[in-house]
Amino acid sequence: LAKTTQPISMDSYEGQEVNITCSHNNIATNDYITWYQQFPSQGPRFIIQGYKTKVTNEVASLFIPADRKSSTLSLPRVSLSDTAVYYCLVGDMAGSGNTGKLIFGQGTTLQVKP
Amino acid sequence: DGGITQSPKYLFRKEGQNVTLSCEQNLNHDAMYWYRQDPGQGLRLIYYSQIVNDFQKGDIAEGYSVSREKKESFPLTVTSAQKNPTAFYLCASSEGAGALKTQYFGPGTRLLVL
Repeated sequence: LAKTTQPISMDSYEGQEVNITCSHNNIATNDYITWYQQFPSQGPRFIIQGYKTKVTNEVASLFIPADRKSSTLSLPRVSLSDTAVYYCLVGDMAGSGNTGKLIFGQGTTLQVKP
Repeated sequence: DGGITQSPKYLFRKEGQNVTLSCEQNLNHDAMYWYRQDPGQGLRLIYYSQIVNDFQKGDIAEGYSVSREKKESFPLTVTSAQKNPTAFYLCASSEGAGALKTQYFGPGTRLLVL
């Protein structure tokens, strides 16, 4: 599984757009990029997943350049409740012998201030 | 409501004692996972199971044991061989194995050593 690198922490203010970038230089052809959110003392929660270009849902957008060596999670107009740890993960589709193992790095701690 | 439940929320272990953490899901998911999270760290995989009566070691299986006798249940035993068991334990499940399959996490169990 490809290793990912994210900033350890980021600060923002309410109402701003936040962009968190993840580097995954060794991403494989079959790998997808997935982001999870974790609040203190809770389990992580799926946010968004993509393969290339742009994916958008009701919570966030995911931008993936053509070389796929990085990706950017974009949170529009953050609020105090978006303060959490955000994890970027890279992995491939289930297949024979695929473990489903997700590698969670340290993630990015986002602090939203009033 | 469908989801994953973990119990207890807090668990205290005495030296030399085995303790069992419960994980139940009613999502009809085939795959289940146990992760350990230490303060300020990402999640590390302890054990996973892709199907009933089958399970595999993750990255840090030493000192832990599991069983998967029923589809909905995946209990984790922290044995006395685990010398540093204090951590936040998270159980997850997914429809099938594979990094593309969204994992749904329980609320976690915090284990403390007396």
